[in-house]
Order: sequence, then C-alpha cells, then structure tokens
Amino acid sequence: TQLLEQSPQFLSIQEGENLTVYCNSSSVFSSLQWYRQEPGEGPVLLVTVVTGGEVKKLKRLTFQFGDARKDSSLHITAAQPGDTGLYLCAGAPAGNNRKLIWGLGTSLAVNP
Amino acid sequence: KAGVTQTPRYLIKTRGQQVTLSCSPISGHRSVSWYQQTPGQGLQFLFEYFSETQRNKGNFPGRFSGRQFSNSRSEMNVSTLELGDSALYLCASSATGSDYGYTFGSGTRLTVV
Repeated sequence: TQLLEQSPQFLSIQEGENLTVYCNSSSVFSSLQWYRQEPGEGPVLLVTVVTGGEVKKLKRLTFQFGDARKDSSLHITAAQPGDTGLYLCAGAPAGNNRKLIWGLGTSLAVNP
Repeated sequence: KAGVTQTPRYLIKTRGQQVTLSCSPISGHRSVSWYQQTPGQGLQFLFEYFSETQRNKGNFPGRFSGRQFSNSRSEMNVSTLELGDSALYLCASSATGSDYGYTFGSGTRLTVV
C-alpha cells in the first residue's frame, strides 16, 4: 500500500514565525500537489510540482519536490493568521494508476 | 468561471435510507472524482468518472455508486445508510485527471442518525 506521511500532524505557532511541513513516501510520484483546506470547505490547490528538485514559490510559501520525487516540503515564512488551515499533500503515482495518494494533513494554527 | 458546485451542502438522513449527492464540475472538465473525508481517515477515494465512464474505483462497498452524465455532471448514491457513512463528501473536477491537481467543491456534509 502506498502511503504519504505528513509531519507534523499539528502545529500551533505565533504570527511572524517560520515553519516547515513535510510529506514523505517510499514511492515515486509523477507529480505532487499541495492543498489548503478550511473547516467545512473543500481543499484548494496551492501548487503542483512535477520535476525532481523543483522549487516553486507562492508569496510567502515555498514548495520543494525531492530530487528522487518521493518527498516534498512546504515552508511558510512569517506566518499570518490567514495561513491557518489544514495542509494536505497528494501524490500522483508514476505509471498508469491514476489514484492520488493523500497524506492525512498538517493542521496549522497561527495565533495573532 | 464558475467553480465546482455540490448540492446539497448539508443533509441529515436516518439509518437504512438512501441518499443522492450531486456535483456540477467546472465547464469543460471531463473528469469528476468523489472523496469521503472523515477526521480519522482523511480523504478516501470513492471513484472517478471520465466522459461518462468509471475510470477508477476505491475500496468502498457496493452501497456506494455513482454515474456521470453527458454534460459531465455527476451524482453519487449511497444506499442503506449506516452511521459510519457520516462524513464530508467532496467532488473534484479536472480537465484530464489527477496528475496536475483538482478543483474541489465545498462538499456535502452528510449526517446519518
């Protein structure tokens, strides 16, 4: 069974702090996606990374795909209360299997 | 352009009843996937439809079924509801499939009592 492990599971920080969330697997992915979900709503796609070693930036968020395309990280600089939410990673397996593999998420609370 | 629309937003049903949930994808998107989300299990894949054909299926019992119409709108049906079916049901659409990411609807919150 393919798994995506996210860490940490919970994170509570003060406004202005930096943080990193990790998404790890033993499987190779053709792409890896990051989503943010707010309570009672569907996940919103933040970024998709497809190339090993790729780094993408979205304002204060930096996403990196591992060289071997098995892991990814999300770094937030100077977190703000609006960053609060559940961060989910999802990997598209290499090959013809089209089922995304999902992590259980990192629940982030940024306190003012 | 309009996003993914799911109806209804909230639903309360009694054990043993059946329920139908609806999803209208983004215009032009032919792939529609359904997920069940619960706090302990995370996002669990139910099935994916592409151009009216079921392309992929998760590990759910036969009580869970779905279909897609020619206009790409999709419905999922759960028969003989159980308490454990209480969850947020999410629909996601994309142009081709899962590789580059989905656009999700706001979900239908189903409570079985």
